[in-house]
Amino acid sequence: GAGVSQSPSNKVTEKGKDVELRCDPISGHTALYWYRQSLGQGLEFLIYFQGNSAPDKSGLPSDRFSAERTGGSVSTLTIQRTQQEDSAVYLCAISGTVAYNEQFFGPGTRLTVL
Amino acid sequence: GENVEQHPSTLSVQEGDSAVIKCTYSDSASNYFPWYKQELGKRPQLIIDIRSNVGEKKDQRIAVTLNKTAKHFSLHITETQPEDSAVYFCAASRGGGNKLTFGTGTQLKVEL
Repeated sequence: GAGVSQSPSNKVTEKGKDVELRCDPISGHTALYWYRQSLGQGLEFLIYFQGNSAPDKSGLPSDRFSAERTGGSVSTLTIQRTQQEDSAVYLCAISGTVAYNEQFFGPGTRLTVL
Repeated sequence: GENVEQHPSTLSVQEGDSAVIKCTYSDSASNYFPWYKQELGKRPQLIIDIRSNVGEKKDQRIAVTLNKTAKHFSLHITETQPEDSAVYFCAASRGGGNKLTFGTGTQLKVEL
C-alpha cells in the first residue's frame, strides 16, 4: 500500500451524527478514488477525482455522502446523518503516476454506526 | 454500467495444487483487468493485472488469462502455499484512470 494514508483508522459514531474520513496521498498521483467494503462483501465504488476534471460521483449511495479534494491532494469523504447501514470499511485508492490504471489502496477507515 | 461476476465464492485446495478463479464482465469497452489479494483485516493488494492487448501474463506462480471475445478472464495460482490463503477479487475498468468494478470475491483456503 505505498503512497496513501487514511485517518482515522477506526471511527465509532452514533446514528444521526456526521463523520469525516480523510485520505492523504503522496503528491504526484492525480487520480484518487473512494470505495466502500461492507463486512464480508466486495468493494463498491463511491467517487473518484482525476486532475482538474469534475469528479465522478456516480457511486455515491445517497445525498448524505459527499467528498472533496483540495489542492489536488488530500481528500475528505463526509457522511451526514449516519445510518447503521453506513457501517463499513472506507478505502481510498490512488492511481499509479504513469499508466493511470493500477490502483493502490490505503489502509482504510473502519466506520461503525451504533 | 459494468457488471463483474466471479466464481467460485469459496475454493479449498491442498498445498501444492493449482487454483483457478474465473470472472466475466459485461462492458466491451473494459480494457484493464486487475486482481487483488486481501488478507483478513488488511487492505486489498494488487497482485497482477492484464490489459486487453495481451492474452496472458505470468508472474512467478501466478498467471492471468484474458479472452476478450468471451469477456472472461481467469487467475491461475500454481504450487499453492498456505500463505496464498486469502480473499481474491477480480476487477474491470475502462482504464485511463476510470473506476474499478469488482467481483464479489473468492475465499481461497490452502490446506496442509
